[in-house]
Amino acid sequence: SAVISQKPSRDICQRGTSLTIQCQVDSQVTMMFWYRQQPGQSLTLIATANQGSEATYESGFVIDKFPISRPNLTFSTLTVSNMSPEDSSIYLCSAGVDTQYFGPGTRLTVL
Amino acid sequence: TQLLEQSPQFLSIQEGENLTVYCNSSSVFSSLQWYRQEPGEGPVLLVTVVTGGEVKKLKRLTFQFGDARKDSSLHITAAQPGDTGLYLCAGAITDSWGKFQFGAGTQVVVTP
Repeated sequence: SAVISQKPSRDICQRGTSLTIQCQVDSQVTMMFWYRQQPGQSLTLIATANQGSEATYESGFVIDKFPISRPNLTFSTLTVSNMSPEDSSIYLCSAGVDTQYFGPGTRLTVL
Repeated sequence: TQLLEQSPQFLSIQEGENLTVYCNSSSVFSSLQWYRQEPGEGPVLLVTVVTGGEVKKLKRLTFQFGDARKDSSLHITAAQPGDTGLYLCAGAITDSWGKFQFGAGTQVVVTP
């Protein structure tokens, strides 16, 4: 199993600003992922964070809006850029291949 | 796209009653997972089923994977308020290493 922490746990941001979310895993993992979740709803995969190369984005998500870093096998960041109220959501990182382990999430509110 | 349909969307029951949540697809999944998520937390893995026809029990929770590996169910016996949460199924996407397709989720509320 893997223990995953995220920072910040929540934030309230102004429209047009950017927020970087950090994800730390307690062990080296090959695969890390970033998801978005509206409260009470399911998870939508944003991208796969690849170590040493660019992230792979899912349909509807682009690098300019959600730049991702993966400098090593235990850490990743997701930036939500030029935020609008529509970006208000819970952002989750996960790690694992056969089993997905999730962080506690970052609750973002954009005013 | 391998879609997973989860039903029902919402379940409200009294403590002591039983409940079943279903997860269905027209696609075959190599494995399927069930998660429970509580407010303010990330999803927590309950079980992974891999073999068609497999049945796994976790105390009062029984998980079943369909013979064709296209569907699964979660049955809770004698539900307790601590079972309240969002239940999510997730199927491993074929030929996409480590990626999962999530169902829409079932919100379960168990009242004392």
